[in-house]
Amino acid sequence: AQSVAQPEDQVNVAEGNPLTVKCTYSVSGNPYLFWYVQYPNRGLQFLLKYITGDNLVKGSYGFEAEFNKSQTSFHLKKPSALVSDSALYFCAVRDGGSGTYKYIFGTGTRLKVLA
Amino acid sequence: EPEVTQTPSHQVTQMGQEVILRCVPISNHLYFYWYRQILGQKVEFLVSFYNNEISEKSEIFDDQFSVERPDGSNFTLKIRSTKLEDSAMYFCASSVVQGAYEQYFGPGTRLTVT
Repeated sequence: AQSVAQPEDQVNVAEGNPLTVKCTYSVSGNPYLFWYVQYPNRGLQFLLKYITGDNLVKGSYGFEAEFNKSQTSFHLKKPSALVSDSALYFCAVRDGGSGTYKYIFGTGTRLKVLA
Repeated sequence: EPEVTQTPSHQVTQMGQEVILRCVPISNHLYFYWYRQILGQKVEFLVSFYNNEISEKSEIFDDQFSVERPDGSNFTLKIRSTKLEDSAMYFCASSVVQGAYEQYFGPGTRLTVT
């Protein structure tokens, strides 16, 4: 069965510092991995995805994520956090080999960037 | 930039009533989805829809739920007889095709069943 874990409910980081939001996954086939961000009263906005190829993927707003197959992780990173990055972040996985197209989401991590 | 839109933003209904949640997917997208998020819980898949047919549904999507694309732009989710536990945020999403393409989500409709 597919599953996603985001072990931290909240991450606090000072503005200008690097940030990491953690995600681990479990799928039986090839993982297609996604990060979304949700601002208050807004929908889920796509940030980036890993399908295949280079393990480091770059996305919107300066975010990047590193796919690690051996650790089944897909952590979201940004070299220098902004106060405006404060939001709720969701990791999602789709099992690329199973014929299903549904996303399985993690529980979300609230990122708070302190000025 | 094109966006998925949803109406209404908030719907309050009494238990046992029917509700229809509306979505306008991005215009060149062919695959449509509904997800829901009960307060404080995960975003959960409900159903996917393509070529006027349900292509996949979860165990949550029982006979009380139905989806429809009544015209070339709208995509609706109907709950026939709402229950208290249907209270949640419902997200519509669309994608160009399936496969490796990401899904784009709307802002959600908050459904409150009293």
